[in-house]
Amino acid sequence: AQSVAQPEDQVNVAEGNPLTVKCTYSVSGNPYLFWYVQYPNRGLQFLLKYITGDNLVKGSYGFEAEFNKSQTSFHLKKPSALVSDSALYFCAVSAHRGSTLGRLYFGRGTQLTVWP
Amino acid sequence: DADVTQTPRNRITKTGKRIMLECSQTKGHDRMYWYRQDPGLGLRLIYYSFDVKDINKGEISDGYSVSRQAQAKFSLSLESAIPNQTALYFCATKAGNTGELFFGEGSRLTVL
Repeated sequence: AQSVAQPEDQVNVAEGNPLTVKCTYSVSGNPYLFWYVQYPNRGLQFLLKYITGDNLVKGSYGFEAEFNKSQTSFHLKKPSALVSDSALYFCAVSAHRGSTLGRLYFGRGTQLTVWP
Repeated sequence: DADVTQTPRNRITKTGKRIMLECSQTKGHDRMYWYRQDPGLGLRLIYYSFDVKDINKGEISDGYSVSRQAQAKFSLSLESAIPNQTALYFCATKAGNTGELFFGEGSRLTVL
């Protein structure tokens, strides 16, 4: 079965410091991996995805993520956090093939707070 | 105009009432999804559809039904609402297996 774990409910970081939001996954076969961000009272917005190729993926707003197959991880990173990055972040995984093809499974979300 | 539009954005209803949440999209995507968001639980898939003639149950389909009226329209119904269906509901569309989801702004449903 496909699943996603975001081990931290909350991440707090000072503005200007690097940030990491962790994600590990379980999927049959090769994964498609996604990160989304949700601001208060809004829908989720796509940040970046890994489908194949380079393990380091760059996305919107200066975010990047590294796919690590051996550790089944896809951690979200940013070199220098901004207060405006404060939001709820979701990791999601989709199977490459099989009966659940096309379905995205979401983690429980990590609340990122960046303080000035 | 938003690419994925949900109506109503907010609804308060009573136990036992029938409620319909509607979703329309202008992305031209074949795939449409209904998710439910509860605090601390993330998003859980209710139903999804790969085209007008294809409807599939998700993780938590009990108590819900859907209708894909056209490629651009996908509605979610609660035949007899109950309080534990109080949640934030999202419609989303997707282009193919590797595409990302595009979400609507959400429909907040409260069942008293």
